[in-house]
Amino acid sequence: QVQLVESGGGLVKPGGSLKLSCAASGFTFSDYYMSWIRQAPGKGLEWVSYITKDGTDTKYADSVKGRFTISRDKANNSLYLQMNSLGAEDTAVYYCVRGYMHHRCWGQGTLVTVSS
Amino acid sequence: DIQMTQSPSSLSASVGDRVTITCRASQGISNSLNWYQQKPGKAPKLLIYDASNLETGVPSRFSGGGSGTDFTFTISSLQPEDIATYYCQQYHNVPRTFGPGTKVDLK
Repeated sequence: QVQLVESGGGLVKPGGSLKLSCAASGFTFSDYYMSWIRQAPGKGLEWVSYITKDGTDTKYADSVKGRFTISRDKANNSLYLQMNSLGAEDTAVYYCVRGYMHHRCWGQGTLVTVSS
Repeated sequence: DIQMTQSPSSLSASVGDRVTITCRASQGISNSLNWYQQKPGKAPKLLIYDASNLETGVPSRFSGGGSGTDFTFTISSLQPEDIATYYCQQYHNVPRTFGPGTKVDLK
């Protein structure tokens, strides 16, 4: 069965960095675009980024552009999100999601808390 | 950016009631719209894609419609397990954008 397992979340100070990982299994990873979507505590869903099947193209929300970098590793069936210059507004559960249009498969999410 | 609005923001209904949520896009998005259900502490679940297509395994009491800028999501007969927050999302353009959500609870 399709499984997406995020890791790497935690507490980080404002201005700090964090790298999220997502281990994918149960499907052919290289056949799918992949996305990150986040949800601040008690708030709605916010699309963050997606990456093409081969990793050659990426898109970002304006709120993270220039600070976050999405990448993927075909050999390890893994998706990543490098997050730099973090601010309180980045505090959220970050979901790894398969696809870039119809988000059928979601991970359980990993919580990132930005606080001093 | 395409702004998505939803109404109502919350509603209370009884078991068996028909529930309808509307979603409006700030510009035309054809039928590039999804509906998700999210229960507390859980990841969202895709219910409807391409505005009106029922995702595999989703009960037929859920339905969606609309095109362009105005969309509807309907639960024909509300069940206790449908208590959740529902989001619309457009994928016509980047950035993908979600509606603010509609919280559905039992009266």
